[in-house]
This record gives sequence, structure tokens and C-alpha cells, in this order.
Amino acid sequence: ETGVTQTPRHLVMGMTNKKSLKCEQHLGHNAMYWYKQSAKKPLELMFVYNFKEQTENNSVPSRFSPECPNSSHLFLHLHTLQPEDSALYLCASSQEGLAEETQYFGPGTRLLVL
Amino acid sequence: GNSVTQMEGPVTLSEEAFLTINCTYTATGYPSLFWYVQYPGEGLQLLLKATKADDKGSNKGFEATYRKETTSFHLEKGSVQVSDSAVYFCALRIERSQGNLIFGKGTKLSVKP
Repeated sequence: ETGVTQTPRHLVMGMTNKKSLKCEQHLGHNAMYWYKQSAKKPLELMFVYNFKEQTENNSVPSRFSPECPNSSHLFLHLHTLQPEDSALYLCASSQEGLAEETQYFGPGTRLLVL
Repeated sequence: GNSVTQMEGPVTLSEEAFLTINCTYTATGYPSLFWYVQYPGEGLQLLLKATKADDKGSNKGFEATYRKETTSFHLEKGSVQVSDSAVYFCALRIERSQGNLIFGKGTKLSVKP
């Protein structure tokens, strides 16, 4: 079983649509993350969940709404997005508290907003 | 603050050439250092890591040594292959931080046959 999976892999949506990105980790980790990767920009951390509690929100617009129902699943709900939100959205997980804690990434969802 | 600086790309090499991708960091604590690789159309994969000074991380022929005195973590490979074509990201994590990674901007490597 692949460590971190994301669905869908590709998504095209209009600015008035509502969609959700899903991430699932099979590593037994207790922390999950959403990142945004845009062309020619560094990876941007969006949200952090630790033991299902959101511990960080890096000034992300409210049109992005995360949900973490349990330690294995993470969602990113999208509504009324803008074309500049088109990017690769990456999910990651890690085991917080380990001295050598490492984040493991999923393959990403390539999002295009028209 | 904490930051990572990587050499600007793209880097274009011939097969079997020697590779160096420079990475330097600024950190207020005691960071762990990472190299991630992103192949075309995919997410990031952990390539190697080092958690303390003088540690050497290695994987798939790639190596990087944690140099505290020069605050560097340069990535090297003795003989690159076409399949190594990807974007390489240097990253750091501060001990006892939230667990967040701070990434460099990435360096695109293209290896020609």
C-alpha cells in the first residue's frame, strides 16, 4: 500500500464550483499537512493538523477549507476559487515527536481553475 | 529567521557527469536537513536526510554532508543518469518545531544522453 495517497490526481473546475481534495495516509502518522506548489514559487505550507487538531493556518484564504476527521484522512474543500489558485496541491504526513521526524508526501492533485 | 537557499537552475548535464547542487541554510535552532526529489508529474519523494552536524545522508548514489561550519548541505552524485532528471529541493526542519519543513525554491536538473 502506497504511504500517502491523494485523489483525484487531476481536477478542472470553474470558479463557481465546489470540490474536495482527499488525502489518506497508511503510515500510522499523527500529523498531516497541505502544501501548495505553484510554478516558479517555493512550496507554501497551507495547513497543519496534529492529532486531528489544526495547529497552523498560514493566512490561507477562506475559499480553502480543511477537514481532518481522523488521523489518517485529510480533506481540502474548495469553493469559489480563482484562476491563480491553479497549482499542484500536495499532502504530507509525519509522526510528530520523533527525533528524526520526516514528512512523506503524496503524489499531489493538479488543479486547474477556469 | 529560518531559510534555505539553493543554486538557481536549470542545471543541464550529460550522462555520467558529476553533479553538485548547492544548498545553504540559515537557522535559529538545530535543524535537520533534507533533500527531496520531484520527478515530472509527481509529488515529492524523500531522497536523503541528515539530523546532526557531520552526518552524511546517502541514497541511490546521491550524498550530502551536514556542514555546520559552512551551514551547507550540498547534494552530490558521481555519475548522473537520464533518469535522475527531476527537480531537487533542499529543506530544513528545526528541532522541536511544529514539524514544518522550510523548502528552498528547487533546482531543476536535466540529464542528456
